[in-house]
Amino acid sequence: GEDVEQSLFLSVREGDSSVINCTYTDSSSTYLYWYKQEPGAGLQLLTYIFSNMDMKQDQRLTVLLNKKDKHLSLRIADTQTGDSAIYFCAESRGPSNTGKLIFGQGTTLQVKP
Amino acid sequence: DTAVSQTPKYLVTQMGNDKSIKCEQNLGHDTMYWYKQDSKKFLKIMFSYNNKELIINETVPNRFSPKSPDKAHLNLHINSLELGDSAVYFCASSSMTYLRSGNTIYFGEGSWLTVV
Repeated sequence: GEDVEQSLFLSVREGDSSVINCTYTDSSSTYLYWYKQEPGAGLQLLTYIFSNMDMKQDQRLTVLLNKKDKHLSLRIADTQTGDSAIYFCAESRGPSNTGKLIFGQGTTLQVKP
Repeated sequence: DTAVSQTPKYLVTQMGNDKSIKCEQNLGHDTMYWYKQDSKKFLKIMFSYNNKELIINETVPNRFSPKSPDKAHLNLHINSLELGDSAVYFCASSSMTYLRSGNTIYFGEGSWLTVV
């Protein structure tokens, strides 16, 4: 099918690590993305990973890619209240990667003080 | 300066009206997109244009007509608005159609459309 799937909700305490998981379906996807959406705001690109990589780290963010299982995760270290938002994973799809992104349904991250 | 800017940010209008949402990007990108986010936060691509040419049209009703006067602008015109058109519409852009290393898609802040 076409689905990119994520769990809908995650609650963590401030200072803990958060792990948001995503599964995708198109093994030919070249890039996989994580976007953040704060309430009433637009989509902010957090990070992306090329499909020939299995890990990418960017400050507090770590992306893990298991291409065999088509599983992507985003780990946020030392989660802060400002990290509360909806997190979307997305895969690029289409012939020669025409810029068509297929999004998951978003994971709402709640960070408790 | 905002990289991808959309206007208006909020729009409330009656069923049957015709409305437009404008989008401009100052990133020098040659590809622009419209995405729709429904009330359940589900995001789906509607259209994409590369150098003013339509390259993706995702079975969107023909009441929706994108127009790209130049590669920095992609406007969305909607005729005969229906209640189900209520959503957040996001404009986006990227530097080339074929995503290569370092090329990513940047989104605008969204336009909240409510049809009453």
